[in-house]
Amino acid sequence: GESVGLHLPTLSVQEGDNSIINCAYSNSASDYFIWYKQESGKGPQFIIDIRSNMDKRQGQRVTVLLNKTVKHLSLQIAATQPGDSAVYFCAENTGGFKTIFGAGTRLFVKA
Amino acid sequence: DVKVTQSSRYLVKRTGEKVFLECVQDMDHENMFWYRQDPGLGLRLIYFSYDVKMKEKGDIPEGYSVSREKKERFSLILESASTNQTSMYLCASSTLGQGQAKNIQYFGAGTRLSVL
Repeated sequence: GESVGLHLPTLSVQEGDNSIINCAYSNSASDYFIWYKQESGKGPQFIIDIRSNMDKRQGQRVTVLLNKTVKHLSLQIAATQPGDSAVYFCAENTGGFKTIFGAGTRLFVKA
Repeated sequence: DVKVTQSSRYLVKRTGEKVFLECVQDMDHENMFWYRQDPGLGLRLIYFSYDVKMKEKGDIPEGYSVSREKKERFSLILESASTNQTSMYLCASSTLGQGQAKNIQYFGAGTRLSVL
């Protein structure tokens, strides 16, 4: 079946460094991708999204890159801070109600 | 800000009990969702609803039912709780309809259910 997966289940970075979280998707019909952040004790929160007609989108300290050729999505966090420690989920949507979530990557930020 | 409120943060029930998980959203969203979250498996969709009294099965509906009598409230029901239903349950809502490119979901804080 279709799936969204992650290359690395955990990522540990030094405070101040940049973080890159990767995600592979398999549904070539997906036209919209979202990154969510889930902090301990909370539900996932929307971070940034990108449509399939774009390659890159920037937010505040975060950038999402989409490579449709290899069905790859990444989230880049600049100058990672302790508050960025969380589980990050990529998700894909094909225009319907359902969103397919990846398994998540846990980001640890070392002070 | 969108607020999605789940009635309980922690719940402990016994095998065979009927369990109700309640979710309320305050942004007049049309769509509401119930997921369960288990380590390594991500979020799996149990049921969703795109309108009052409407419901659709998700990927893992077995052992669950739902109720949407009012637009702001979406209930998940475990008719006879089993130990394999021990999990974190997340409710979400969204406002955009089918066919549109975006479907940003807003989540509650979750209910951690333990079935003994």
